[in-house]
Amino acid sequence: GAVVSQHPSRVICKSGTSVKIECRSLDFQATTMFWYRQFPKKSLMLMATSNEGSKATYEQGVEKDKFLINHASLTLSTLTVTSAHPEDSSFYICSARTTGRIQETQYFGPGTRLLVL
Amino acid sequence: DQQVKQNSPSLSVQEGRISILNCDYTNSMFDYFLWYKKYPAEGPTFLISISSIKDKNEDGRFTVFLNKSAKHLSLHIVPSQPGDSAVYFCAASVGSNYKLTFGKGTLLTVNP
Repeated sequence: GAVVSQHPSRVICKSGTSVKIECRSLDFQATTMFWYRQFPKKSLMLMATSNEGSKATYEQGVEKDKFLINHASLTLSTLTVTSAHPEDSSFYICSARTTGRIQETQYFGPGTRLLVL
Repeated sequence: DQQVKQNSPSLSVQEGRISILNCDYTNSMFDYFLWYKKYPAEGPTFLISISSIKDKNEDGRFTVFLNKSAKHLSLHIVPSQPGDSAVYFCAASVGSNYKLTFGKGTLLTVNP
């Protein structure tokens, strides 16, 4: 299957700092990547859809100025949590949609655990 | 408003027996359904999918059944193995939208 990586896997930061999370598709090009957030014992909640070369589309209730998304290339999307606060602590997961295949699906990265102190 | 529902938070089965995980949806526009497996602190792993034009898709030990009239799908794992123990998420999307809506997941425990 397709491989998606995320970096870092875990990050601890102080309140008020910004954190950047990278999502890479390693063996395929992804015109579309998605960013999810998962709270403990909850489902994955889609935050935004990232399209290469254009602005991200945010889901209702997600602050676009707080969660900056950049999709500069067909293999890389970044999520920057700006001025992080303890309530931003969560598990962030990206996925990349394959193209040119008969069966479309999304492949997920391993996730990034963010803890804001 | 939860459009994809997995009403069983957990399921426990014996090794070698069949595991049946259920999922219901409310949005009749959904036409593509997927099952993902997830271990703690890891991203979901794609297992199997089904388009609304089918009612069954099989891949090895995994079979997904879709009942559109009931807005219900299920994942059958047979025979179940201890390594199958994980959280299983059901997800759905609308055509070319590709935005996935996930259920809350079902924790499957396969006992040796």
